[in-house]
Amino acid sequence: AQRVTQPEKLLSVFKGAPVELKCNYSYSGSPELFWYVQYSRQRLQLLLRHISRESIKGFTADLNKGETSFHLKKPFAQEEDSAMYYCALTPTGANSKLTFGKGITLSVRP
Amino acid sequence: DTGVSQDPRHKITKRGQNVTFRCDPISEHNRLYWYRQTLGQGPEFLTYFQNEAQLEKSRLLSDRFSAERPKGSFSTLEIQRTEQGDSAMYLCASSLVSTSWELFFGEGSRLTVL
Repeated sequence: AQRVTQPEKLLSVFKGAPVELKCNYSYSGSPELFWYVQYSRQRLQLLLRHISRESIKGFTADLNKGETSFHLKKPFAQEEDSAMYYCALTPTGANSKLTFGKGITLSVRP
Repeated sequence: DTGVSQDPRHKITKRGQNVTFRCDPISEHNRLYWYRQTLGQGPEFLTYFQNEAQLEKSRLLSDRFSAERPKGSFSTLEIQRTEQGDSAMYLCASSLVSTSWELFFGEGSRLTVL
């Protein structure tokens, strides 16, 4: 069985501060990890995928298989980053469903 | 294409009544998913279809729940004999098989069971 854990419910920072949203996973095989984001009054949408190794809106995330973590980071938070963030997992190559964590609210204060 | 659409957006019903939700996916997407989200939780997988075939169902999907996608286009999720514990946001999402990790979500159908 696969499980995604987001240990914190809320992270509140000031604009310009660094951000790290934590995600840990449990899966016996090789996973693919993702971050989804939901901005206020918008739909849940994909933010980034670990395989692509891209920086999206200044966010990056590195898959650490040793620590089974996939933390989302941004060096300088912006007010428009305020949103709900969900970490998600699917088995590599399985073309199967996504399993989501409980999510974390990021609040960036001016 | 305006994306994934769900109807109704809100439904209030009395315990014991049946409810049905409809989802219209992005037209070229052959995968369609149903998730449920309760307060403080992330989306929980219920079931998914590839074209008209229902490929997987979660244990969360009790016998009172049934989902269909009869022509491989829109889908319906029916809940029979609703219980207060069924109160939740029901999310529909669609994707291509080739990029099944990129889900396009609807705005959800919020169910309140009194």
